[in-house]
Amino acid sequence: GAVVSQHPSWVICKSGTSVKIECRSLDFQATTMFWYRQFPKQSLMLMATSNEGSKATYEQGVEKDKFLINHASLTLSTLTVTSAHPEDSSFYICSARLSGNSQYFGPGTRLTVL
Amino acid sequence: KNQVEQSPQSLIILEGKNCTLQCNYTVSPFSNLRWYKQDTGRGPVSLTIMTFSENTKSNGRYTATLDADTKQSSLHITASQLSDSASYICVVSATGGTSYGKLTFGQGTILTVHP
Repeated sequence: GAVVSQHPSWVICKSGTSVKIECRSLDFQATTMFWYRQFPKQSLMLMATSNEGSKATYEQGVEKDKFLINHASLTLSTLTVTSAHPEDSSFYICSARLSGNSQYFGPGTRLTVL
Repeated sequence: KNQVEQSPQSLIILEGKNCTLQCNYTVSPFSNLRWYKQDTGRGPVSLTIMTFSENTKSNGRYTATLDADTKQSSLHITASQLSDSASYICVVSATGGTSYGKLTFGQGTILTVHP
């Protein structure tokens, strides 16, 4: 149980385009999901907290207009990287909170911006 | 400031050998501590979770310990296998207040198991 999926698993896009990444909790409902970014050989960095039916809470330094988060249902949150640039290339990981402090991570999405 | 520090940064061992990874934390108020295994290009997978009152938790060849007084944890891997090569991340969760539910990540220990 407690499976989280992400789609796509990897994406390559041209600079200036927008990319949408989906995060789904497959066998449980998650009122809260989290989006992380991970650069090579570094640990995960929290970007934002996504709450179902309300606006996301962004961490300091993360541009909310660039990283659009939508949490329209209890099993789906999406992260849209708008006007992507090469420096946005990274590994994006979502997690979903099952209960209390338990978070389950998705498999990640590798974004490469050319 | 909540922090989690892991050591060593990287470790190379031979297949079949044991190893121990360390984690020190200053997260408050403490809720739980998890060890995750992250394969390259994959999301983290939980190995163990321990709350304040737990000293030891095992999961197959993985055994985690927690000393809440000294705020230290260790992950011991027994009879290592090639598939154990990965990054091992110590993650501490806070409870209550503005830190509720937020995770503090260690930098990870990169383990390489050689045949």
